[in-house]
Amino acid sequence: GAVVSQHPSRVICKSGTSVKIECRSLDFQATTMFWYRQFPKQSLMLMATSNEGSKATYEQGVEKDKFLINHASLTLSTLTVTSAHPEDSSFYICSAGSTDQPQHFGDGTRLSIL
Amino acid sequence: DAKTTQPTSMDCAEGRAANLPCNHSTISGNEYVYWYRQIHSQGPQYIIHGLKNNETNEMASLIITEDRKSSTLILPHATLRDTAVYYCIVRARGANNLFFGTGTRLTVIP
Repeated sequence: GAVVSQHPSRVICKSGTSVKIECRSLDFQATTMFWYRQFPKQSLMLMATSNEGSKATYEQGVEKDKFLINHASLTLSTLTVTSAHPEDSSFYICSAGSTDQPQHFGDGTRLSIL
Repeated sequence: DAKTTQPTSMDCAEGRAANLPCNHSTISGNEYVYWYRQIHSQGPQYIIHGLKNNETNEMASLIITEDRKSSTLILPHATLRDTAVYYCIVRARGANNLFFGTGTRLTVIP
C-alpha cells in the first residue's frame, strides 16, 4: 500500500488564489520531505526540501515567497502556491523517506490555474 | 551526484524481458544506483537499488558492472502495465534527495 499520501489529486482554480497541497507519510516519521514539479513531457524538478521544525531549503530559481512550505510534524508537509497564475499550472509531487532508504512518492497533484 | 545517461525510448514485446541500460561513468564509491519508474500521471514508483552487487526483488533485477560505470534494469516478463518512463538515478550514501534525468520511455507492445 501507499506509504506517502498526497492530497488533493487535482485542483482547478482561478488566477490569484492560493492553493495548499498536503503530503503525509503514512508508515514512518519523516524529518525531511521533498517537493517536485513536473511540466508536461519533462522530468521531475526538485523545488525544495522540507525540514521538520525548521525552514525549507529551496532550489535555485524557486521563489520561497511564492511556494510556502510548512513541515509542522513528522508526518505532514504542506506546499502552498500563493497567488497562483496560469504559469504555475503543473504536476506537483512530494516524496519522503529516511537517509539511505528509498524515497517514496505521493501520487501527485495536478494543478490547473485558469 | 553523478550524471546518468539513458536511451530516450525503447520498445519491448509483451512477455519478453525488458533490459534497460544506464551509464553512470562518473559514479563514486559511496553512490548507489536507484531505479524508479513513472506511469503516466502518477508519482514515481521505487523499483530497486544497489551499490555494487547485483540485486533482485519481486519487480526486477539490477545488474551493475564490475567497474560500476553502467547498470541494466531487467524486467523479466514485461507486461502492458510496465509501460512507463524509467529513471536511473545515482544517489550518494547519506543523501536524501533524488535528481531525475530524462529517463527511458519503455513501451510494451502486445
